[in-house]
Amino acid sequence: GDSVTQMEGPVTLSEEAFLTINCTYTATGYPSLFWYVQYPGEGLQLLLKATKADDKGSNKGFEATYRKETTSFHLEKGSVQVSDSAVYFCALRAEAAGNKLTFGGGTRVLVKP
Amino acid sequence: DTAVSQTPKYLVTQMGNDKSIKCEQNLGHDTMYWYKQDSKKFLKIMFSYNNKELIINETVPNRFSPKSPDKAHLNLHINSLELGDSAVYFCASSRGSRSDTQYFGPGTRLTVL
Repeated sequence: GDSVTQMEGPVTLSEEAFLTINCTYTATGYPSLFWYVQYPGEGLQLLLKATKADDKGSNKGFEATYRKETTSFHLEKGSVQVSDSAVYFCALRAEAAGNKLTFGGGTRVLVKP
Repeated sequence: DTAVSQTPKYLVTQMGNDKSIKCEQNLGHDTMYWYKQDSKKFLKIMFSYNNKELIINETVPNRFSPKSPDKAHLNLHINSLELGDSAVYFCASSRGSRSDTQYFGPGTRLTVL
């Protein structure tokens, strides 16, 4: 079945550091890929998405590129802020599996001033 | 003006009780979902409804019964609550069953004592 694997956290960084969260997936066909963010005490918010190979999703300084050859969708941000502290979820949607999102285990990121 | 709302936000109850969680979306979406997030932050879909019709039903105990009185509402009723049901339950919606973007509610934290 479909699955998403992302690096375990927590990831602790200083402000203005570079952030990378690795995400790889297994799916049939050509899934759409997503990054969701969950701030403390809140629900999930869509951060960015990519629907086909080589697409780059970007939002709020975050970027991720859909790499079909490595089945990866790593999230990056060049300079993090304290307000980026959250749990980040990589997810995929494979049309063959209905419209359900399959999530990775989440990566907690803590940015210190 | 909340897009996807859930009630209650917190629910504490005894084992064996029956409880319901309500979800409403005002986005005019056709498809709604329930996800369960366990204590390790792992997120998994439970159900999905499209135009009040069940389209995704993952391996969930029969004690869980979703009900969709109309397109804007998807309630989750849980019978005979067990300790393992303790989790955060998220409702989500999307424009259609093939739509990429799902919008999540703030979650309901259920604690079974």
